[in-house]
Formats: sequence, structure tokens, C-alpha cells
Amino acid sequence: NAGVTQTPKFQVLKTGQSMTLQCAQDMNHNSMYWYRQDPGMGLRLIYYSASEGTTDKGEVPNGYNVSRLNKREFSLRLESAAPSQTSVYFCASSEGGESWDEQYFGPGTRLTVT
Amino acid sequence: AQKITQTQPGMFVQEKEAVTLDCTYDTSDPSYGLFWYKQPSSGEMIFLIYQGSYDQQNATEGRYSLNFQKARKSANLVISASQLGDSAMYFCAMREGRGGATNKLIFGTGTLLAVQP
Repeated sequence: NAGVTQTPKFQVLKTGQSMTLQCAQDMNHNSMYWYRQDPGMGLRLIYYSASEGTTDKGEVPNGYNVSRLNKREFSLRLESAAPSQTSVYFCASSEGGESWDEQYFGPGTRLTVT
Repeated sequence: AQKITQTQPGMFVQEKEAVTLDCTYDTSDPSYGLFWYKQPSSGEMIFLIYQGSYDQQNATEGRYSLNFQKARKSANLVISASQLGDSAMYFCAMREGRGGATNKLIFGTGTLLAVQP
């Protein structure tokens, strides 16, 4: 049981390049999330998917797109990377529904945009 | 709008002593949940403890307890008998509503705890 996995662990991009961050969970969770963590800012929600087939914007969605590929996988795409997107990205999942469920986090992806 | 405030950027505590990490929140929703996460230097986020707005008793999990004062809108984390392995960043987070489409967490800016031998 791997929990929440993310690939890649590290990435360096040039301004304007695109890339997709992959996330998968094996806990049969309904809800999945993408956060970014910047120094002094805590974690901020980028996008989330309450259930398979749905996605919604979080606090900081500009410059990102997401795809809930199936129940297990939730990807985050940067179409044209900017230095302001240098951050650590965390994927998380939870059971969702009506329960007061905790979110389980992946190990994070450290992205640098030069 | 919902908001989480952690006013202590950093704290020191002696090993084996207790420490309190402060968290205040703001929400107009009567139904909400409060969470504490630990982030060690390795970077992963580890869930510690949860408190629901309607819970009558303060939550406890081993050496962690949550001092929930609803009228003051505070949810302080108390770590008893600190250990060197407790040195980490600690985040307070809140979720409004009862789950489902409102499963979004709002995080505070964190408190960096250093446990000294």
C-alpha cells in the first residue's frame, strides 16, 4: 500500500516550457487535491476533485490545469511555466463524502522554473 | 472569509517539556473541522490530530492534544513530553462544512518548532 505517490520528485524547467505532475493514490479515495507550498505562505490549494469526473478551482488556480484521469489519478499541468511557479507541489487524497476525513499527502515535487 | 492564523513563526522547547503551538481561526460556518499537520525536514506532511466544531471534548492523540476554545476561535496544539523527533514545522488547517464538495483545507503559515536537548 503505497498511499499517495507523485512523480517526478524534482524538476527544473525553463520559462515557457510545459510539464505535467502526476499523482496516484491506492486508497480508493474519492477526493484528490493539488497544493503548492511557498516559503512563509503555508500550503495553498490549486485545484481539487471532489469525486471522479469533477474538478474545481482552489485558491490559486491561474496558470494550471488539472485532469482527473480516473479514480486513482489526478494530474496537474503547467502549460507555460513561469518563475512564479517555482514551488513545492503536494498532491493529497481523502475519502470525501460526508465524513470528517483527513487528507493524506504525497511526498511532494520540488519544481524550479528558471 | 475563512482564515487561519499562526502567530509564532518559530519556537524553542527543552526536551521532555510541554509546548503549546497557537492557532486562531475565522469562519462564519457553524460546521467546520480543525486539523494539525507536522512537516519534518524531509518534507512530508503528517496528520496529527483533528477537532470537529461540534465535538464536546478536546481531541487527544497520544502526546498530542488540541486545546479547543470555540468562543475564542482558537485551536492550540499541545505537545507533552517533547522529543527531539518533534522538531519540525507544524501547520494548523481548517475545513468548512461537512465534507463532500467542501473538502478544501485552508492552512496557516506554520510554526517551526525546535526541541533542544
